[in-house]
Amino acid sequence: NSKVIQTPRYLVKGQGQKAKMRCIPEKGHPVVFWYQQNKNNEFKFLINFQNQEVLQQIDMTEKRFSAECPSNSPCSLEIQSSEAGDSALYLCASSLQGNTEVFFGKGTRLTVV
Amino acid sequence: GDSVTQTEGQVTVSESKSLIINCTYSTTSIAYPNLFWYVRYPGEGLQLLLKVITAGQKGSSRGFEATYNKETTSFHLQKASVQESDSAVYYCALGNHNNAPRFGAGTKLTVKP
Repeated sequence: NSKVIQTPRYLVKGQGQKAKMRCIPEKGHPVVFWYQQNKNNEFKFLINFQNQEVLQQIDMTEKRFSAECPSNSPCSLEIQSSEAGDSALYLCASSLQGNTEVFFGKGTRLTVV
Repeated sequence: GDSVTQTEGQVTVSESKSLIINCTYSTTSIAYPNLFWYVRYPGEGLQLLLKVITAGQKGSSRGFEATYNKETTSFHLQKASVQESDSAVYYCALGNHNNAPRFGAGTKLTVKP
């Protein structure tokens, strides 16, 4: 069973507000991923880290999101100014390497009203 | 980049009947990727069902099987006799050392008693 912990489980924000969610990866996993899953179940990769360093991120993440994985603290993903289209399930996952099994948290469901 | 395409939407199968969920992948990597099936049971987080990291090999778990076919770039999920407890959403995924794992859009399986 996965030991990736995501908080909060649910988040409701108004348009233009900041939305911040956190993730504690499995102990010993240096690689952390964030995905956005929309209502059609489609996964969109947002960003990933190896230890504290960003490995890859998409353009949207670079412009509107702020993410970090500090040592000895939870990883976080923050939307600087929420838009209606950001309403989705945000999934955090961790793994030993990028191409091995990933372990998922239960996600943070964001609703932007 | 990498991508995964799987049977879209919902599949309904009667209990004890056979199941196949199609999955094909594409990758720009020289190396063969690792292939996975993940499952989300109702009320639970996404978890690994099975994986295959060597082309030509078959993975199996809980009665499900999938064969890594590099010629047809496919990784179809099959089960000879489904049970009600198999009702879940199934995701095909590709892991490439140089990129974050890519997921299909999921196939919701409903098994009728």
